[in-house]
Amino acid sequence: DAGVIQSPRHEVTEMGQEVTLRCKPISGHNSLFWYRQTMMRGLELLIYFNNNVPIDDSGMPEDRFSAKMPNASFSTLKIQPSEPRDSAVYFCASSATGALNTEAFFGQGTRLTVV
Amino acid sequence: GENVEQHPSTLSVQEGDSAVIKCTYSDSASNYFPWYKQELGKGPQLIIDIRSNVGEKKDQRIAVTLNKTAKHFSLHITETQPEDSAVYFCARSGLSGGGADGLTFGKGTHLIIQP
Repeated sequence: DAGVIQSPRHEVTEMGQEVTLRCKPISGHNSLFWYRQTMMRGLELLIYFNNNVPIDDSGMPEDRFSAKMPNASFSTLKIQPSEPRDSAVYFCASSATGALNTEAFFGQGTRLTVV
Repeated sequence: GENVEQHPSTLSVQEGDSAVIKCTYSDSASNYFPWYKQELGKGPQLIIDIRSNVGEKKDQRIAVTLNKTAKHFSLHITETQPEDSAVYFCARSGLSGGGADGLTFGKGTHLIIQP
């Protein structure tokens, strides 16, 4: 398997523009997570899905952020409108979870710069 | 609530010596404690994990210990090598009613192996 695939790897956009980040989890994994990494705040959980259903979005910073998982093989994180403070590395991770938590596999991340 | 404290933030050791990184957590419902290694420009990668019913786990040069009473867990790396230089993150999670719970990460430890 190719692992968790994120696109794009890098995104530079102007303040106010819409940004969409994409993630393809590992085939067969039923849990998907979006994290944000910054120097100041470290790795923060934004939202996670189990079996395509959003379970906890309490980490989403504002209404400008939204995430969807229309099927088991695809998820998006959208920021509209984007602001400079949204600049960070965004990671998607997936895991195969049943009664026990198991290893979460991370993608390579999307480095977002909002100017 | 969920909170993970990690120390030290930077650790420099001589090649061949041991390195120890410590974490504490606050949520007594935590039952899964993974450690991730992150190299520059890459996503975090699991190196070892431990569940709440186990006190210690070892994998070659890496070991993790867990004290549930004190809510402490630690990473031990013996016979350090230059390729061990990276940022290490501890994390915790539990299980929600919906299945997998997201990871709460510590702020990371920058491990530097001096030749």
